[in-house]
Amino acid sequence: GAGVSQSPSNKVTEKGKDVELRCDPISGHTALYWYRQSLGQGLEFLIYFQGNSAPDKSGLPSDRFSAERTGGSVSTLTIQRTQQEDSAVYLCASSPYTRSEGYTFGSGTRLTVV
Amino acid sequence: TQLLEQSPQFLSIQEGENLTVYCNSSSVFSSLQWYRQEPGEGPVLLVTVVTGGEVKKLKRLTFQFGDARKDSSLHITAAQPGDTGLYLCAGAEGLGQFYFGTGTSLTVIP
Repeated sequence: GAGVSQSPSNKVTEKGKDVELRCDPISGHTALYWYRQSLGQGLEFLIYFQGNSAPDKSGLPSDRFSAERTGGSVSTLTIQRTQQEDSAVYLCASSPYTRSEGYTFGSGTRLTVV
Repeated sequence: TQLLEQSPQFLSIQEGENLTVYCNSSSVFSSLQWYRQEPGEGPVLLVTVVTGGEVKKLKRLTFQFGDARKDSSLHITAAQPGDTGLYLCAGAEGLGQFYFGTGTSLTVIP
């Protein structure tokens, strides 16, 4: 597609429920990243996929968080047993391998846990 | 995890004024990027710098990468209301992921 697409754009869930956030990167981009952003703050790195290599999961805050990337394209970030502190905007980005053009971000999913 | 501190955290200025935003770290980066983010949108890349001491200009924006590749600055001349947004620096070592700074929220008052 022309840009990075994320869905849903907004999600309200009850504490303890599981949620899935979807990211559809730019076609041909080998790298895909998930970040989390609290209101007006910087971006917290979560996980990074590069081609067929094992993902870098070093930023995942707990074992309730997981992500997969199927067929080197679409990625899903899953949060199990959501907590109120999980409320944030979850941003996905993709880039070519060389990254010289920087990351292209989606508009994010605003997650609210009530 | 590299920590990038940005200052100031918040900045509110009048249209036409000049300003400088700073990005500092104890880590050495192979490349550093600056992004601008508007409400409800993802960050958009402004510039990438890779060489210590490098200076890049983008219209009224001037970006500088420190000689030691640990810090950077963004200077805006004659700020316009359209410059309002959250400015983020991001640094990377090698080909790994970029780590983002704490952000500077800029408001330019007409």
